[in-house]
Amino acid sequence: NAGVTQTPKFRVLKTGQSMTLLCAQDMNHEYMYWYRQDPGMGLRLIHYSVGEGTTAKGEVPDGYNVSRLKKQNFLLGLESAAPSQTSVYFCASSLIGGNTGELFFGEGSRLTVL
Amino acid sequence: GESVGLHLPTLSVQEGDNSIINCAYSNSASDYFIWYKQESGKGPQFIIDIRSNMDKRQGQRVTVLLNKTVKHLSLQIAATQPGDSAVYFCAEDLYNFNKFYFGSGTKLNVKP
Repeated sequence: NAGVTQTPKFRVLKTGQSMTLLCAQDMNHEYMYWYRQDPGMGLRLIHYSVGEGTTAKGEVPDGYNVSRLKKQNFLLGLESAAPSQTSVYFCASSLIGGNTGELFFGEGSRLTVL
Repeated sequence: GESVGLHLPTLSVQEGDNSIINCAYSNSASDYFIWYKQESGKGPQFIIDIRSNMDKRQGQRVTVLLNKTVKHLSLQIAATQPGDSAVYFCAEDLYNFNKFYFGSGTKLNVKP
């Protein structure tokens, strides 16, 4: 069982370039999330989804877009990358909402914007 | 507790000792809390959770204490082992939406 898989694991972009991070989960989870983690800081929620076809903004959504066309996939897009978006990005999923317990995290995607 | 800026608070303990990691959460309306462990280069992993109608919950070698009066959580690890070395985060779920907000973390360093 793969759990939560993120691709790519590493990427270097130039300012202004675009890219998409893919998150795939094989646990049939309803909820999916994208977080970013900066050095010495906790995880900050970018966007999340409570089911296929739905997305919502988190704490730091500016500069990112997301899509959840299939239940198992949650895509995070950067249309015009900025150095401030250099970070480690984590995708997570959970079974259903409302005090049901843990988030299952991927291994992270390290993005550097030059 | 919470840290500001780029430097994580670090707790250094001797192998075999007990560890206590603290976390101050932000919102009195939060009703569900989780502790996560993050090893270097990996994603966070669930350790233990607690709901706001409880003051204490125990797991295997870990205990979480919740003090709602002062909005404070603590994670106690008994007989700390080198494998416990990691960064520990508390996360709060506001209004039962399963949308978690994370603290900035505490680095636990276990000395052999």
